[in-house]
Amino acid sequence: DIQMTQSPSSLSANIGDRVTITCRASRDITNNLNWYQQKPGKAPKLLISRTSTLQSGVPSRFSAIGSGTEFALTVSSLQPEDFATYYCQQSFSVPYTFGQGTMLEI
Amino acid sequence: QLQLKESGPGPVKPSETLSLTCTVSGFSITDSKFFWDWIRQTPGSGLEWIGTISYTGITYYNPSVQSRVSMSVDISTNQFSLNLRTVTAADTAVYFCARHRAGVYRDFDFWGQGILVSVSS
Repeated sequence: DIQMTQSPSSLSANIGDRVTITCRASRDITNNLNWYQQKPGKAPKLLISRTSTLQSGVPSRFSAIGSGTEFALTVSSLQPEDFATYYCQQSFSVPYTFGQGTMLEI
Repeated sequence: QLQLKESGPGPVKPSETLSLTCTVSGFSITDSKFFWDWIRQTPGSGLEWIGTISYTGITYYNPSVQSRVSMSVDISTNQFSLNLRTVTAADTAVYFCARHRAGVYRDFDFWGQGILVSVSS
């Protein structure tokens, strides 16, 4: 299985801050990396597909880059609704695997 | 409007079979651009992909559960189902069903709300 490792596990930030979450794959997954946002008691929500493609309706303050084994999600100016847990997920090969999550807190 | 909703009979005893159904509304599960998946979440293990099924019944399972799992699809009712046999406390989790885009993206673009399944005697 491909292991996905996110850092940091948790992150404290303020409204308006720029934050970056990183995700590392245990082997080359080219650009087959997706990002999800999850709020308490809710299902994960797809934010970004295939490394950098923003889903419809996702604010442009979200962006992501990467390839191979190193990926990053950036929120350029945190808004109150952005405080949540973020997960990366590789879609390169089955079994699909997720990172352990990064909890973004105020 | 696409919606997915998980349903099931409630708590399960150890060694019994966990059975869940996902009802898809607002979209046909026979669209060949999509697969239909089960994913579970536990506080300790995070998000774990269980498996996927196409409307034609093609399946791929996570090796971690492959010996105990089966999935099926019912196109007449626009539902797909999960059976997980011989459960233990480690199978206690929130189970999500999700739509899985095939092809280039292979992401989970729509999810059900999730259903908590407890395994307890």
